[in-house]
Amino acid sequence: KAGVTQTPRYLIKTRGQQVTLSCSPISGHRSVSWYQQTPGQGLQFLFEYFSETQRNKGNFPGRFSGRQFSNSRSEMNVSTLELGDSALYLCASSPNGLAGSTDTQYFGPGTRLTVL
Amino acid sequence: AQSVTQLGSHVSVSEGALVLLRCNYSSSVPPYLFWYVQYPNQGLQLLLKYTSAATLVKGINGFEAEFKKSETSFHLTKPSAHMSDAAEYFCAVAKSGGTSYGKLTFGQGTILTVHP
Repeated sequence: KAGVTQTPRYLIKTRGQQVTLSCSPISGHRSVSWYQQTPGQGLQFLFEYFSETQRNKGNFPGRFSGRQFSNSRSEMNVSTLELGDSALYLCASSPNGLAGSTDTQYFGPGTRLTVL
Repeated sequence: AQSVTQLGSHVSVSEGALVLLRCNYSSSVPPYLFWYVQYPNQGLQLLLKYTSAATLVKGINGFEAEFKKSETSFHLTKPSAHMSDAAEYFCAVAKSGGTSYGKLTFGQGTILTVHP
């Protein structure tokens, strides 16, 4: 089975621009979660989507948004980029969003976003 | 609220020596606990998870972890370190369902260095 894929792997943007990152989950997984990883704050949860609905959201400003399509692929968007948005953005998929003891999240390789 | 504390941001061992990475958690309900490993410029790879079936959990690459409820700990061990074990290790906790859908709460990570 193919793993979680994320595109693009690297992005360079300037302050004020917006960016869209894409994530394709493992086949059959309906839940997609997004995380931001920075040296200072570590790994922080952004949001989770399941069957095209956002079920959970972390403590991030409204500039961070996402969506999920009917094939479970997900995108996240960051508008009005700030220098502090430079990070590794990780996508993880699971069958049901950690809803049971057998559920596990599997991570993609990440998208490295640099904001200049 | 759940939280995870990893004691020691850096651990250094010699090849062939015991690896011990410490993780303590706090959770208001019985948690699911995970250990992930991250190699440079890669995503997170699942090493093992605890879901209450057994307190001693065996994972990939010879790693294992023991859940100790009385100590609220879930330390990761490997009897004999290999050079290829050098990476960053993350302990994470999840709670089933409700407002916790798809959310892992991570510790700050421990960088493991293995000396020849």
